[in-house]
Amino acid sequence: DQQVKQNSPSLSVQEGRISILNCDYTNSMFDYFLWYKKYPAEGPTFLISISSIKDKNEDGRFTVFLNKSAKHLSLHIVPSQPGDSAVYFCAILTGTYKYIFGTGTRLKVLA
Amino acid sequence: NAGVMQNPRHLVRRRGQEARLRCSPMKGHSHVYWYRQLPEEGLKFMVYLQKENIIDESGMPKERFSAEFPKEGPSILRIQQVVRGDSAAYFCASSPSSAGLRETQYFGPGTRLLVL
Repeated sequence: DQQVKQNSPSLSVQEGRISILNCDYTNSMFDYFLWYKKYPAEGPTFLISISSIKDKNEDGRFTVFLNKSAKHLSLHIVPSQPGDSAVYFCAILTGTYKYIFGTGTRLKVLA
Repeated sequence: NAGVMQNPRHLVRRRGQEARLRCSPMKGHSHVYWYRQLPEEGLKFMVYLQKENIIDESGMPKERFSAEFPKEGPSILRIQQVVRGDSAAYFCASSPSSAGLRETQYFGPGTRLLVL
């Protein structure tokens, strides 16, 4: 029983366009969400986070949206760049330290 | 300005051998977490340690696996009598001392264990 689901294993986007990565979760009690980016042979790198008291958080080209009623969050990257090609994991913080990760979406930005 | 360091980066073991994975947290971080990633899956929490204490090992298999974070030196994840199913990427993460404040965890590059 997956508590965090990323239903799209891969996504291809043209350079300069918007990339939208999605994540669904099952437990309405979850209240802190993060996105990590991972390049091959490296560890995940923190990108952006959002608390349930907000519905949007923006950091440069990256924006995370949270829809609590739908139990859905998304990461928007605009404009997408070839260097953004990586695997993106959404993660949910349960309690104060335990992350639950989704299975990841592999983003490929085409030049 | 070193990040989280893990070694070795790659480890090959035959079934029945022991695997020792090491993790040095970021400077100033005293909380360490171990995660395992099986192929085509997300990272799964294994254990959370502070210096000389195991805080939560709920994600760690009860047998063959152990972890420690001694007063001096790196954190060690130890897998005894490895089996093929232990083949995975093992990631260590660290956070500053105030773990109760939803501190972001910073990940190392991982150790890729292959059991033949």
